[in-house]
Amino acid sequence: DAGVIQSPRHEVTEMGQEVTLRCKPISGHNSLFWYRQTMMRGLELLIYFNNNVPIDDSGMPEDRFSAKMPNASFSTLKIQPSEPRDSAVYFCASSSGTLNTGELFFGEGSRLTVL
Amino acid sequence: AQSVTQLGSHVSVSEGALVLLRCNYSSSVPPYLFWYVQYPNQGLQLLLKYTTGATLVKGINGFEAEFKKSETSFHLTKPSAHMSDAAEYFCAVSETTGGFKTIFGAGTRLFVKA
Repeated sequence: DAGVIQSPRHEVTEMGQEVTLRCKPISGHNSLFWYRQTMMRGLELLIYFNNNVPIDDSGMPEDRFSAKMPNASFSTLKIQPSEPRDSAVYFCASSSGTLNTGELFFGEGSRLTVL
Repeated sequence: AQSVTQLGSHVSVSEGALVLLRCNYSSSVPPYLFWYVQYPNQGLQLLLKYTTGATLVKGINGFEAEFKKSETSFHLTKPSAHMSDAAEYFCAVSETTGGFKTIFGAGTRLFVKA
């Protein structure tokens, strides 16, 4: 079975450019999470969705960040405009709330470098 | 609000020695607790989890953890370290309703010496 799929795996961009990260959760999972991982701050929860609805976006750093989940099989995290301090690995994870275990399945991450 | 504290950002053990990684949590409701492992350039993988029932839970690769409510702890142990255990380990706490919001600790990097 396919796991959580993220793209791109690596992105290098210049300050001020728009960045879009994509995630395809595991089929049948109804919760989706976006995390950011840096050496300084560890794993931070940015936002999570349940049944395609954003439940908690309190971790989104600022208005430059936005996330959408237009359907159960796709989500995007957008940064506009990007800044060097946004450089990090961004992980998407999904879970099956119906199984009631809370286990998260992670993608391999998108490594973003903003110059 | 939930929070997770992992004591020790780095732990070094000799091959064959006991591994003990500490985790304390805070949660306003009975939590689900997890340990995940991350190898370089990869996402996190579940090692083990506590939801309800038996407080000693066993996971993959010989790891186990014990939920101690009175101490709000969920420490991870393995009797005998192997070189392949070198990785970063994350403790996490999850709400049990509304989509399972999951918060992670800062992580503990485990080094295993030959």
